[in-house]
Amino acid sequence: KNEVEQSPQNLTAQEGEFITINCSYSVGISALHWLQQHPGGGIVSLFMLSSGKKKHGRLIATINIQEKHSSLHITASHPRDSAVYICAVLRGNEKLTFGTGTRLTIIP
Amino acid sequence: GAGVSQSPSNKVTEKGKDVELRCDPISGHTALYWYRQSLGQGLEFLIYFQGNSAPDKSGLPSDRFSAERTGGSVSTLTIQRTQQEDSAVYLCASMRGPQETQYFGPGTRLLVL
Repeated sequence: KNEVEQSPQNLTAQEGEFITINCSYSVGISALHWLQQHPGGGIVSLFMLSSGKKKHGRLIATINIQEKHSSLHITASHPRDSAVYICAVLRGNEKLTFGTGTRLTIIP
Repeated sequence: GAGVSQSPSNKVTEKGKDVELRCDPISGHTALYWYRQSLGQGLEFLIYFQGNSAPDKSGLPSDRFSAERTGGSVSTLTIQRTQQEDSAVYLCASMRGPQETQYFGPGTRLLVL
C-alpha cells in the first residue's frame, strides 16, 4: 500500500462544477503539499499546509491531521484547470513522498 | 534568473552512454532536490542537498546515479552506463529553506535507446 493515496485517479467535469480531490496518507508528516502539473510537464506548488485550511483564488486546500486526510477543492472550475494534481507529504527528513496524482479534465 | 532552470530540456542517448543533467536553482535557495518521473508513474525522490550538509542520497536507484552540487548552487546529476529503464523526466526543485515551498524546474526528458 502506498504511503500517499489519492482519489479519484481521473476526474472529468463540466466547466463551472465544484471539484474535490482527496489525499490520504499513512505516515506522520510535518506538512502536506498540493502540486499542479500541466500537460507540458511543468510543476507548480499550489499549497503547503500543516493544519487547517488555505485559500488562493478559486482553490482551497484543507487538512485534518488526526484523520491523515487532505482535500483540494476548485470552485467554478475552468478548462484551464485541467492538469494533474499531486499530493505530497513532507516527513521529518525533508523528503517528499508523492501520491500518484489525479488527472482532472474540465470540459467547456 | 527568476526560476529554476534545467538543461538540456531533452536528451536522447544510447544504452551504455553516460549523461549529465544540470540544474540551476533559484539564487539564494539553500535546498535542492532531484526527482524522477517515469512514464505513467508518480514522482520519485532521488537526492536532496541542504546547504553544506552531506546530501541525502537515499533515493538514488543504483550506484550508476550520482549528483553533486558545486558552491551551494548549480547541481549536476550524472547517470553512468545508461539503461532503457532510466528513461524518464528528471526534475529539479529548490527551496529557500526547510519547510518552505519547493520551486520546480521544467525538467529534462531523457530517452535511452
